[in-house]
Amino acid sequence: IQLTQSPSSLSASVGDRVTITCRASQGISSYLAWYQQRPGKAPELLIYGASTLQSGVPSRFSGSGSGTDFTLTISSLQPEDFATYYCQQVNNYPLTFGGGTKVEIK
Amino acid sequence: QVQLVESGGDLVKPGGSLRLSCAASGFTFSDYYMTWVRQAPGKGLEWVSHISNSGYTIYYGDSVKGRFTISRDNAKNSLYLQMESLRAEDTAVYFCARRGSYNSNWNYFDYWGRGTLVTVSS
Repeated sequence: IQLTQSPSSLSASVGDRVTITCRASQGISSYLAWYQQRPGKAPELLIYGASTLQSGVPSRFSGSGSGTDFTLTISSLQPEDFATYYCQQVNNYPLTFGGGTKVEIK
Repeated sequence: QVQLVESGGDLVKPGGSLRLSCAASGFTFSDYYMTWVRQAPGKGLEWVSHISNSGYTIYYGDSVKGRFTISRDNAKNSLYLQMESLRAEDTAVYFCARRGSYNSNWNYFDYWGRGTLVTVSS
């Protein structure tokens, strides 16, 4: 299953609302997770089940969607949110990740 | 707290072999599926391999099938990746990660190590 993220990069300011899209090549119900990766660091789980926030993740992050179309939204971008975000389908082998969306400072 | 620490990364020639290790602590290792994910320099994440808590169920990505072998030693709280016939395109940081759910339908990863760098070059 291929996952296509858009955009591949974006520039935004602190306080902006940011939306990232992940499209699956076939329906995956809600079997999707989102990760954040800061430069030089390991990925961190943000959301699983398309919309369930991982413990400890700020509530400004939210996820939605099912089937083939999913979104990750950051309601008010904070300085620590500048990073690369990946979606992952979690139910079909081989497990696959999207190509990533880099969120940069405007 | 949960900790995953990878080791074993190195510079190796094409066609060579390498064994990566991941030492786990802070949780009951034998209860969890574990996985290896890699990231080539400047590129995205690629799932490599996955092993059940017992070690009896194993999956591989197409790019490493037949060349890499995942294993675990629950008595030592350790995960391994034996890599054979290495190619330049295997150059990457290799992360070990813990599956966050006991449910086999939900293969997301809630804890990750910091990674170990494998470089394949002559």
